[in-house]
Amino acid sequence: QSALTQPPSASGSPGQSVTISCTGTSSDVGGYDHVSWYQQHPGKAPKLMIYEVNKRPSGVPDRFSGSKSGNTASLTVSGLQAEDEADYYCSSYAGNSWVFGGGTKLTVL
Amino acid sequence: EVQLVESGGGVVQPGGSLRLSCAASGFTFSIYWMQWVRQTPGKGLVWVSRSNSDGSRISYADPVKGRFTISRDNVKNTLYLEMNSLRAEDTAVYYCARESFYSLDVWGQGTTVIVSS
Repeated sequence: QSALTQPPSASGSPGQSVTISCTGTSSDVGGYDHVSWYQQHPGKAPKLMIYEVNKRPSGVPDRFSGSKSGNTASLTVSGLQAEDEADYYCSSYAGNSWVFGGGTKLTVL
Repeated sequence: EVQLVESGGGVVQPGGSLRLSCAASGFTFSIYWMQWVRQTPGKGLVWVSRSNSDGSRISYADPVKGRFTISRDNVKNTLYLEMNSLRAEDTAVYYCARESFYSLDVWGQGTTVIVSS
């Protein structure tokens, strides 16, 4: 149950796109299409942004998209806005357990 | 409104016990799998435990296996986490969350557990 690997930080200017990676193994990210992404603002509970690799829950802007290749999943935020500044966590099902990434702090410059 | 509200957190000495509760409302609790996730101050999210809809299929993260017990009361629409033999490293904010399509689509506000002498 080792944590997924995410870069600790990412940044972009308003209107730009930024991609956050999430690397696991064939036992988690690579083995299942059950990767999800969460946004967390300071002092708040996490919010689901992407599920099943690339699906958006109702209400999540289409500026947020997800993808996966092999053992690495990615979250792309297009047209960055100030309110996108937050921590982002990936998560994957790992066969009767779950694993999260260490989190990426996204800064909007 | 779909809502999860945790309670039961507090300060406990090492080796002590606590029971967390998570009250669900606004949805049919009895058909959903539920999970507990914790977050150490300033750190990331860590999965703790999962229960299927009727409590018959349960799993735990290795660090809590044998010490924590997840359960649910589908009449009271409440999820529980019984925590025994608490350690300093169990100090965290504990969230309950609803599982849907192998993701966590509804989260509570969290309850804080501090293990300290």
